[in-house]
Amino acid sequence: QSVLTQPPSVSAAPGQKVTISCSGSSSNIGNNHVSWYHQVPGTAPKLLIYDRNKRPSGIPDRFSGSKSGTSATLGITGLQTGDEGDYYCGTWDNSLSAGVFGGGTKLIVL
Amino acid sequence: DVQLVESGGGLVQPGGSLRLLCEASGFSFSNSAMNWVRQAAGKGLEWVSYISGTSGIIHYAASVKGRFTISRDNAKNSLYLQMNSLRAEDTAFYYCARDWDGSGRGFDSWGQGALVTVSS
Repeated sequence: QSVLTQPPSVSAAPGQKVTISCSGSSSNIGNNHVSWYHQVPGTAPKLLIYDRNKRPSGIPDRFSGSKSGTSATLGITGLQTGDEGDYYCGTWDNSLSAGVFGGGTKLIVL
Repeated sequence: DVQLVESGGGLVQPGGSLRLLCEASGFSFSNSAMNWVRQAAGKGLEWVSYISGTSGIIHYAASVKGRFTISRDNAKNSLYLQMNSLRAEDTAFYYCARDWDGSGRGFDSWGQGALVTVSS
């Protein structure tokens, strides 16, 4: 059971927009910035979003992050087949003094 | 370019020990906090441990506390994870990851992973 809660899967057609939610509590998302990662099976995770909706070099602005209270959302516009894979949210939990991740969301581009 | 390369994985019997190494290059290692994150086959990411740049702050996941020890040698640009009293549930790919701001909230560079298999 993950500390952060994500939907198991989401799907949308190429070119469309999709959002992935990440729910936590006041000890994690409520008081810390959330990071988002993309993982293609068999490869290491890749950072997509960090801090206040910042993107590392090379990550297109089709990817965006937002936060409201104890929940965060990753948005992806202009879906491409290369966007398929698993998406994880993560942050720090102040009560646990530990890093925490969501269980992951599989994105299917129909 | 930032590069993280893990090594030291392998097959070990339950109750045994293993030490993972992560060799870093392309950035100021001594100024960067580092983490270990693991992923069992077909499962999600699990944070394992954190160490600050000076080794002054260290944290562990409850599942490994008392069995695993994180350390670093800044002169060698190396990060370590000593794993003792290994259990079947410790079987996973282990990634070292650079902490983008030292807070444990985000990891901007990852190694390719080292596979640890605990089995008799």
